[in-house]
Amino acid sequence: DVKVTQSSRYLVKRTGEKVFLECVQDMDHENMFWYRQDPGLGLRLIYFSYDVKMKEKGDIPEGYSVSREKKERFSLILESASTNQTSMYLCASSGTTLTQYFGPGTRLLVL
Amino acid sequence: EDQVTQSPEALRLQEGESSSLNCSYTVSGLRGLFWYRQDPGKGPEFLFTLYSAGEEKEKERLKATLTKKESFLHITAPKPEDSATYLCAVRPFGNEKLTFGTGTRLTIIP
Repeated sequence: DVKVTQSSRYLVKRTGEKVFLECVQDMDHENMFWYRQDPGLGLRLIYFSYDVKMKEKGDIPEGYSVSREKKERFSLILESASTNQTSMYLCASSGTTLTQYFGPGTRLLVL
Repeated sequence: EDQVTQSPEALRLQEGESSSLNCSYTVSGLRGLFWYRQDPGKGPEFLFTLYSAGEEKEKERLKATLTKKESFLHITAPKPEDSATYLCAVRPFGNEKLTFGTGTRLTIIP
């Protein structure tokens, strides 16, 4: 079974804080993704990575950065958290098949 | 630009009452269409991948079908545990990115 884990289920941060969200997959997948999910807007792609140290901007990269130092780990960084970054953050990975497998999500509240 | 529209936004059914969810899409060359189930507060769970028009896949009470413009998720004799949001997504050729619809929230009433 594919397993994607995320470091926190719930997170509360203050405006201006630097926030790290971590994602780990155990299936040796090449591709990893970060999405945010908001009511009425669906899932929107923030960044993705198709190899170690490689990254590509998604549809809404502003205010975010990513890091992939190891194949199994993909981190999302909010350099200076703002209230409009309150959301559900979902990590996914995919390998040689097309299917993306998702983690359980991190619900982030920025006060 | 790839687009996915799901309808209805919400659907309430009695237990045992069969129905269908719709996913209409426009994409520059469909590489795959995906259906996911998402329970409240959790990540999406993969259900099906469809690759070409005419393809069908089944899993328990769910059957997914695909045409050149839309996909249907048919649910037969649903049970309360089928209550969830069902998401549809498309992936074009030459691109790793998925475009998601906003989902159909399905409620099955005992």
